[in-house]
Amino acid sequence: GENVEQHPSTLSVQEGDSAVIKCTYSDSASNYFPWYKQELGKGPQLIIDIRSNVGEKKDQRIAVTLNKTAKHFSLHITETQPEDSAVYFCAASRGGGSQGNLIFGKGTKLSVKP
Amino acid sequence: DVKVTQSSRYLVKRTGEKVFLECVQDMDHENMFWYRQDPGLGLRLIYFSYDVKMKEKGDIPEGYSVSREKKERFSLILESASTNQTSMYLCASKDRYQPQHFGDGTRLSIL
Repeated sequence: GENVEQHPSTLSVQEGDSAVIKCTYSDSASNYFPWYKQELGKGPQLIIDIRSNVGEKKDQRIAVTLNKTAKHFSLHITETQPEDSAVYFCAASRGGGSQGNLIFGKGTKLSVKP
Repeated sequence: DVKVTQSSRYLVKRTGEKVFLECVQDMDHENMFWYRQDPGLGLRLIYFSYDVKMKEKGDIPEGYSVSREKKERFSLILESASTNQTSMYLCASKDRYQPQHFGDGTRLSIL
C-alpha cells in the first residue's frame, strides 16, 4: 500500500547548526506535502507545505525541497534554536483529491542543544 | 484562527466499555479526521468524514465507529474498549484545498 518513510527517527544538533529531515513517498498521484511540528502535550501544527508544481519553498529559517522524479522531499531548518526541539512529521496527500487525506511518516524527534 | 477542540485531554476507561471521544471545530470545515498516534508508528488514520452523515474508513478502522450528525462535530466511538486501544487520539479538520488543523489530542487509557 501507500506509505511515507521518514529519516532519521531522532536527530540531535547543536544550537546554530542546520537540521535536515528526509521523506520518501510511494503514491505517484501525491501532489501535496505538508510538514508538521508537534511540541510536548500539543497537537501537530503545520509549519510549511509544498505542492507538486513547486520544487522548493522557504519561510525564514525553514525550507522544503521536493524531487518528484525521485519521490522524495526534505525539511531544512537553518540556525536551529532550542525552541525548534520537537517531533516533526512529514506527510503526503493520498492521491490528487481535495478531501485532504494524508499519509504520515513516523516522525523525527529533533533535539537542539544550547 | 482555526480551533479544533477535543473534549477531554485525559480519559481512563475499562475494557468492554463503550467510549465516546468528541471533537468540535469552529470554522465550518467540510472534512474531519480521527487519527491515533503511537510511539514509533506516527499518525494513523482511523476514519474521516467529508460531509454531515458521511464517513469513510481509514487505514485502521477495526474496533471503531464514528458519527457526524452536525458539520462542526465528529465523534469517535470505541464500541467495546480493549487494552490495545490505549493511545493518543487526534482529531483534525480542514476545508477544501486548505491544510489540516489538529486538536491537542485525547490520551486514552483502557484498563
